[in-house]
Amino acid sequence: AQSVTQLDSHVSVSEGTPVLLRCNYSSSYSPSLFWYVQHPNKGLQLLLKYTSAATLVKGINGFEAEFKKSETSFHLTKPSAHMSDAAEYFCVVSDPSSGGYNKLIFGAGTRLAVHP
Amino acid sequence: AAGVIQSPRHLIKEKRETATLKCYPIPRHDTVYWYQQGPGQDPQFLISFYEKMQSDKGSIPDRFSAQQFSDYHSELNMSSLELGDSALYFCASSLGPKTGTEAFFGQGTRLTVV
Repeated sequence: AQSVTQLDSHVSVSEGTPVLLRCNYSSSYSPSLFWYVQHPNKGLQLLLKYTSAATLVKGINGFEAEFKKSETSFHLTKPSAHMSDAAEYFCVVSDPSSGGYNKLIFGAGTRLAVHP
Repeated sequence: AAGVIQSPRHLIKEKRETATLKCYPIPRHDTVYWYQQGPGQDPQFLISFYEKMQSDKGSIPDRFSAQQFSDYHSELNMSSLELGDSALYFCASSLGPKTGTEAFFGQGTRLTVV
């Protein structure tokens, strides 16, 4: 079975500084990986996805992630944090073991705090 | 653009009551997923449907059932509610059920069992 591990439960950065949210995955297959963001009392919004095309994936709001097979990582980065980036971020893997159907497995989440 | 619509947004029920949550997928999406997110937890997969047939099953209690209708909307029926069922229930939809397909989530239904 596939799984994801988000290495930090909380990350705190200053506005204007870089953001790094770490995610490692375990997979016996070529994985499909996603990053979702959840603002307080809001739904889940897709930031970006990796599906075996380019290893550097660009998403919305200036976020990007790099798929590194050798490190089994899919870290999320942003060059300059904005106050509005404060939210919960989930790294997600699509588990193909369920007969080829799309089953999203969520990491535990990383809460990003951005302070002035 | 149209998004996934869930209703109701908030629901308060007493123990042992029943609840029905509804999900209207994005137009043309034929696959629906249900997730449960407890307080401070990550979303847990409950069940999914593709073309009105159950495609996968996760940690859904036997007290819960779900189905997808001919117009592709889905309903999650929850009976004999327990305090531990209090959670945010998300529905997501996608165009096709294959691994790696982008899933779009609704705003969720917050269920409180008292």
